[in-house]
Amino acid sequence: KQEVTQIPAALSVPEGENLVLNCSFTDSAIYNLQWFRQDPGKGLTSLLLIQSSQREQTSGRLNASLDKSSGRSTLYIAASQPGDSATYLCAVRLRSGGSNYKLTFGKGTLLTVNP
Amino acid sequence: GAGVSQTPSNKVTEKGKYVELRCDPISGHTALYWYRQSLGQGPEFLIYFQGTGAADDSGLPNDRFFAVRPEGSVSTLKIQRTERGDSAMYLCASSFVGSDETQYFGPGTRLLVL
Repeated sequence: KQEVTQIPAALSVPEGENLVLNCSFTDSAIYNLQWFRQDPGKGLTSLLLIQSSQREQTSGRLNASLDKSSGRSTLYIAASQPGDSATYLCAVRLRSGGSNYKLTFGKGTLLTVNP
Repeated sequence: GAGVSQTPSNKVTEKGKYVELRCDPISGHTALYWYRQSLGQGPEFLIYFQGTGAADDSGLPNDRFFAVRPEGSVSTLKIQRTERGDSAMYLCASSFVGSDETQYFGPGTRLLVL
């Protein structure tokens, strides 16, 4: 059974700092990995999707990397801003098997960026 | 373009009542997913539709939960005899099937069972 772990559970940083969020997964036979942002009481916003054949994806100040062999992904946020404050969720989709379309999520990292 | 929409945004009901939660996916997306998120947890898979049929309902917690998608677009998640433990955020997502299978999520329905 795929398990996804996100460390740290919570992170508080001053504005302008660069930061890294970590995600690890137990089954390396993944199809893709997605990073999401969730504001309090809201739905999920997709940030980046990395296919299993890719090593990283970039969007603006966000960069996500994937190391399938070690079962890890990182989300790098450059020059953090108070508006980045949210919960960041990592989710993986398995490559094969009868349920290879559903996402398995970590519990998220609650990020607070202080002005 | 329009994203995934879910109604109602909030639902308060009493224990034992029946509720229906609606999801309207992105136009053209053939795949539709329901997830449930408890406080402080990541979303957990409930059911997946490919077109009109439920391809996998293995995540439904028990037979009080049922979902339909009769015309391959809008889906309704139905919960009978609600229990306090059903209180959670119910999230719907949709995607293409093919090269870009990013799952796009709706705003969710927050269900509170008193």
